Amino acid sequence: QSVLTQPPSASGTPGQRVTISCSGGSSNIGKYHVYWYQQFPGTAPKLLIYIDNQRPSGVPDRFSGSKSGTSASLAISGLRSEDEADYYCAAWDDSLGAVFGGGTKLTVL
Amino acid sequence: EVQLLESGGGLVQPGGSLRLSCVASGFTFSSSVMSWVRQAPGKGLEWVSTIKVGGGTTFYADSVKGRLTISRDDSKNTLYLQMDSLGVDDTAIYYCVRDPTGYGGADYWGQGTLVTVSS
Repeated sequence: QSVLTQPPSASGTPGQRVTISCSGGSSNIGKYHVYWYQQFPGTAPKLLIYIDNQRPSGVPDRFSGSKSGTSASLAISGLRSEDEADYYCAAWDDSLGAVFGGGTKLTVL
Repeated sequence: EVQLLESGGGLVQPGGSLRLSCVASGFTFSSSVMSWVRQAPGKGLEWVSTIKVGGGTTFYADSVKGRLTISRDDSKNTLYLQMDSLGVDDTAIYYCVRDPTGYGGADYWGQGTLVTVSS
């Protein structure tokens, strides 16, 4: 059971806006920055969002992150078929070190 | 171009040992916080360990504390993970990552090296 809670799956049709939630606590998300990663099958994860809502160079602005209290969200607007992947949130925790969400498998219908 | 190249994975029997290496290039390794993250087959990501600049400060997940040891050789731009007393639950792809914040944000990942613990 992961310290950060994500829905196991999410879906949307092309062009839609999809959000993936990440719920934590006062010792992790409530205190530290949140990171989001995208992973395609058989490949290493890639940083998608850092410091809650910042996009690394090369990440489309269709991807956005937000945080409020002990929860965070990843939003993908203008959904495309190539966005179909697994998405993970992560944060530091006072007692546990770095913690990840269980991951959300995004399906583009 | 930032590159992280892991090596050292393979098949090992329960109770055995293995040492993973990660050679870094394209950035100033000695000034970077580095970590290991693993992923069991078909499962999610799990942070393993972090080593701060200089190597004097390290952090470990409870699941590996006392069995896995992270270290670095800045003269060789290399990160290590010494793995002892391995169990079947340690079977995973091990990724070397750069963590510029030192607090779980990995901006660059290696391709990973597979460790299989089985008799």
